[in-house]
Amino acid sequence: EDQVTQSPEALRLQEGESSSLNCSYTVSGLRGLFWYRQDPGKGPEFLFTLYSAGEEKEKERLKATLTKKESFLHITAPKPEDSATYLCAVHIVPSNTGKLIFGQGTTLQVKP
Amino acid sequence: NAGVTQTPKFQVLKTGQSMTLQCAQDMNHEYMSWYRQDPGMGLRLIHYSVGAGITDQGEVPNGYNVSRSTTEDFPLRLLSAAPSQTSVYFCASRRNANTGELFFGEGSRLTVL
Repeated sequence: EDQVTQSPEALRLQEGESSSLNCSYTVSGLRGLFWYRQDPGKGPEFLFTLYSAGEEKEKERLKATLTKKESFLHITAPKPEDSATYLCAVHIVPSNTGKLIFGQGTTLQVKP
Repeated sequence: NAGVTQTPKFQVLKTGQSMTLQCAQDMNHEYMSWYRQDPGMGLRLIHYSVGAGITDQGEVPNGYNVSRSTTEDFPLRLLSAAPSQTSVYFCASRRNANTGELFFGEGSRLTVL
């Protein structure tokens, strides 16, 4: 069964304290892996797409990496405004549904 | 850019009532979908459409209907609301079923009493 697991469920950091969020996946075939940010009461906001093992993408304090079994979202020197829930999702092959399989998310709190 | 627009943002229903959640996108996306988000369950696909006139079921379709008469609009109908349908509903669109990221609306929070 295709599955996406995120860890930890919740993470508290002090401002400036770098850390990583994990997304491990077990799928029949990977078309792409997506990272989203979700603020309370809002819809998920797209951050990155990764397509193949070894690929990396960066945006401000965030860096996403991908291996054959997992993806990491590295947060460098986080600020309170980085507090949110981070969702990982995979698009599998073969599939004609366009469906993304989502993990349950990691809720990040960054304290000043 | 408006992106994906959902209405209403909040709704309270009584068991057995019906209602429609509206969704519109202005990005000319072929693919549109509805997800529900529940604590501990993550986001789950209800229905999707790969183009105007074409719809299909996702993983949790029971109790919901959809139609896609235009490229822009993809309404979700609750036929006879049940407490189990209390959730936050998200409409999302992408360029097509196999390409691009999924763009989400702001969500519609539904409570069924």
